[in-house]
Amino acid sequence: RKEVEQDPGPFNVPEGATVAFNCTYSNSASQSFFWYRQDCRKEPKLLMSVYSSGNEDGRFTAQLNRASQYISLLIRDSKLSDSATYLCVVTLGGGGATNKLIFGTGTLLAVQP
Amino acid sequence: ETGVTQSPTHLIKTRGQQVTLRCSSQSGHNTVSWYQQALGQGPQFIFQYYREEENGRGNFPPRFSGLQFPNYSSELNVNALELDDSALYLCAYHARRGVDTQYFGPGTRLTVL
Repeated sequence: RKEVEQDPGPFNVPEGATVAFNCTYSNSASQSFFWYRQDCRKEPKLLMSVYSSGNEDGRFTAQLNRASQYISLLIRDSKLSDSATYLCVVTLGGGGATNKLIFGTGTLLAVQP
Repeated sequence: ETGVTQSPTHLIKTRGQQVTLRCSSQSGHNTVSWYQQALGQGPQFIFQYYREEENGRGNFPPRFSGLQFPNYSSELNVNALELDDSALYLCAYHARRGVDTQYFGPGTRLTVL
């Protein structure tokens, strides 16, 4: 079983749509959680951290359910510029090599005009 | 942007050759991790360096080796290249030791023929 699993997509949505991505992780000792965004042939860039209390940054809302080992990302009012691959990431935390980033395979989002 | 640079941008090698990839950060952060991202996959952790010492390693063979220098720049060396080594190689500097946030360089795209 993969450590972090995501639906690879692609998700094709019209501009203005709301889209939700889901992710599950296998290690209950995971401590930190992130969503990264990766544009085609570019490096991953941190989109937002994810907390159990949920957090929101403009049109983006992330949620963590530790009991279900489930992470979500909601994008409201999709823009053409949101088209990218969204990577779900966890770490075991604790410093040292245990804070290596463990990535899912990514979900491809294509926002259509 | 992140202040993390990598060189070269692209590289083409043949099977059996050796390659050295380089990474540096303007910020002087002392912890750097290397990742390999094959096409259609999320990045996979190769190893991490902290203050010139290897500080953890992923599931990669010994022909993948690294160095970190006193100025905290880093190298990834791969010997006896195989076709499956074709990938995007990313380095990432940690915001600070023990903190999970990492900032990626633009990557080196290696093609092995």
